[in-house]
Amino acid sequence: AQTVTQSQPEMSVQEAETVTLSCTYDTSENNYYLFWYKQPPSRQMILVIRQEAYKQQNATENRFSVNFQKAAKSFSLKISDSQLGDTAMYFCASSWAGSYQLTFGKGTKLSVIP
Amino acid sequence: NAGVTQTPKFQVLKTGQSMTLQCAQDMNHEYMSWYRQDPGMGLRLIHYSVGAGITDQGEVPNGYNVSRSTTEDFPLRLLSAAPSQTSVYFCASSYEHSLYGYTFGSGTRLTVV
Repeated sequence: AQTVTQSQPEMSVQEAETVTLSCTYDTSENNYYLFWYKQPPSRQMILVIRQEAYKQQNATENRFSVNFQKAAKSFSLKISDSQLGDTAMYFCASSWAGSYQLTFGKGTKLSVIP
Repeated sequence: NAGVTQTPKFQVLKTGQSMTLQCAQDMNHEYMSWYRQDPGMGLRLIHYSVGAGITDQGEVPNGYNVSRSTTEDFPLRLLSAAPSQTSVYFCASSYEHSLYGYTFGSGTRLTVV
């Protein structure tokens, strides 16, 4: 079974600054996928970024990037130039090839301060 | 293109009542699933389906029932509502097993009194 751990229940960052959200996971699989989802106050779940485990290059989507450390089973999310609209819950999630299940961490509540 | 549509958005039930949460997607996704979100718990999988006529249990299936008669629809039934089922429910769908991520509906906030 896969487990996903987010050790920071809440974080805050000043507008325009950079923040990193931590995520660790545990799996015995070799081929798996990792995701970060954003949930703003509207409740909608929005896919921010994804990473395939067999790709060593870290994924990047505009201001969002990940630091994927496969040996350490770590998958942190870096948000650059933080904006007020980044205020949300952020969930780290994992799934493995051949499975239909997405396993979530408990989330990190991020507040961007003007 | 509507994506994943969930109805209703809000619902209050009395203990013991039954109801069905509706979920429909128009993306021809083979995989659909139901999650519940509780404070401090993240999202937990209730039931999922890999195609019409095929369903299976997730992490927290007790008290819920599902069926999948068409590719588009995947309703979630609460058989006899309990206060412990107070939660936010999400339906999600995907083309293939997790490769492209999942598209989520907007959620249903259910309160059981």
